[in-house]
Amino acid sequence: SYELTQPPSVSVSPGQTASITCSGDKLGDKYTCWYQQKPGQSPVLVIYEDNKRPSGIPERFSGSSSGNTATLTISGTQIVDESDYYCQTWASSTSVVFGGGTKLTVL
Amino acid sequence: QVQLVESGGGVVQPGRSLRLSCAASEFRFSNYAMHWVRQAPGKGLDWMAAISFDGSKTSYSDSVKGRFTISRDNSKDTLYLRLNSLRTEDTAVYYCAREALVAVAAPLDYWGQGTLVTVSS
Repeated sequence: SYELTQPPSVSVSPGQTASITCSGDKLGDKYTCWYQQKPGQSPVLVIYEDNKRPSGIPERFSGSSSGNTATLTISGTQIVDESDYYCQTWASSTSVVFGGGTKLTVL
Repeated sequence: QVQLVESGGGVVQPGRSLRLSCAASEFRFSNYAMHWVRQAPGKGLDWMAAISFDGSKTSYSDSVKGRFTISRDNSKDTLYLRLNSLRTEDTAVYYCAREALVAVAAPLDYWGQGTLVTVSS
């Protein structure tokens, strides 16, 4: 079965750039999405098709993908960005797979 | 604004069954594929099942295939998940989510607030 691997945690200082990676076999050949989830809340889509932002998502969120790795980048990270982040792709035409999630700490 | 409201969760004994519902509003439900995703306490997101816009195609994760059944009633704008032979490890918040209308590798663009299922004797 297809698997996505994320680091459990990433720390960043306010105003700096945070990068969260997601690894999977030939992931660059697929599209990757990213979701933000704050404690006690539902996930929110922040990036789709590797690098597109839904309406309402701040420009500081961006994405890229190449080879076996997709990356979510948050430029000028704010305290409000402290959340869990999950990558997601389609393992096949009919099944979805999520990464294990990364806890972003802003301190 | 798109709304997805799950219901039907609760405390259930191991081996029993439960049916979850997800009521959709403020969009044309019958045009969209839908998914169920769960999240065990303190754990990550775990995809469960998907159903096509018209209900003709379904797919499941290996972990629940044969025990869970996804279905929909487009006349009622409602998505369902039948959970059979429940195990303690099925304890989780269950979310319904809408699959965006894009041609390939669609994201899940809207999520409900979730309903908690606790399997315990």
